[in-house]
Amino acid sequence: DGGITQSPKYLFRKEGQNVTLSCEQNLNHDAMYWYRQDPGQGLRLIYYSQIVNDFQKGDIAEGYSVSREKKESFPLTVTSAQKNPTAFYLCACAAGGNYEQYFGPGTRLTVT
Amino acid sequence: LAKTTQPISMDSYEGQEVNITCSHNNIATNDYITWYQQFPSQGPRFIIQGYKTKVTNEVASLFIPADRKSSTLSLPRVSLSDTAVYYCLVGNDYKLSFGAGTTVTVRA
Repeated sequence: DGGITQSPKYLFRKEGQNVTLSCEQNLNHDAMYWYRQDPGQGLRLIYYSQIVNDFQKGDIAEGYSVSREKKESFPLTVTSAQKNPTAFYLCACAAGGNYEQYFGPGTRLTVT
Repeated sequence: LAKTTQPISMDSYEGQEVNITCSHNNIATNDYITWYQQFPSQGPRFIIQGYKTKVTNEVASLFIPADRKSSTLSLPRVSLSDTAVYYCLVGNDYKLSFGAGTTVTVRA
């Protein structure tokens, strides 16, 4: 069963702590993405990766970091430098740029 | 990135056809038009993609006029389960912009 998974579904952290969100796919897709969605808003691109060991900043990369050591995995770290980290985080993968993106179920992060 | 403009919301009734128009005046020659659907607390789901004229699949049709400065997503005979946010994306690269989308509410 091919797909893309994110864990955990809900995550709670104290302010000042770094937190890593998991994203794994077995669709054998080269491209992976991280988006952030705030209530009532559209998705904003944080980082994307076209291929293993390569990634680029999206529109709101400040306070976030990623790695792409394996094709299947694209973890996102929300650092303490991110001023307003509470949001719904979505990971996606695609065969390439402008191809259909397949989204994971999302992780809802709450930082207090 | 081409800027897109969509209506904020639309209401419809079960069984009706819903047409959502997206304006993208500065679309580039190589840009494609893609539509996604999103339900609350879920990731978006691809609906349809096109470059020009008309594209149809099992769930929707996409109409693109010759000047490509706008596009219309058509959802035939909607049901309550079609209540969702619909996003219009225009681009040809990895960086695609999801705007605020159009919230479509289908009533019984």
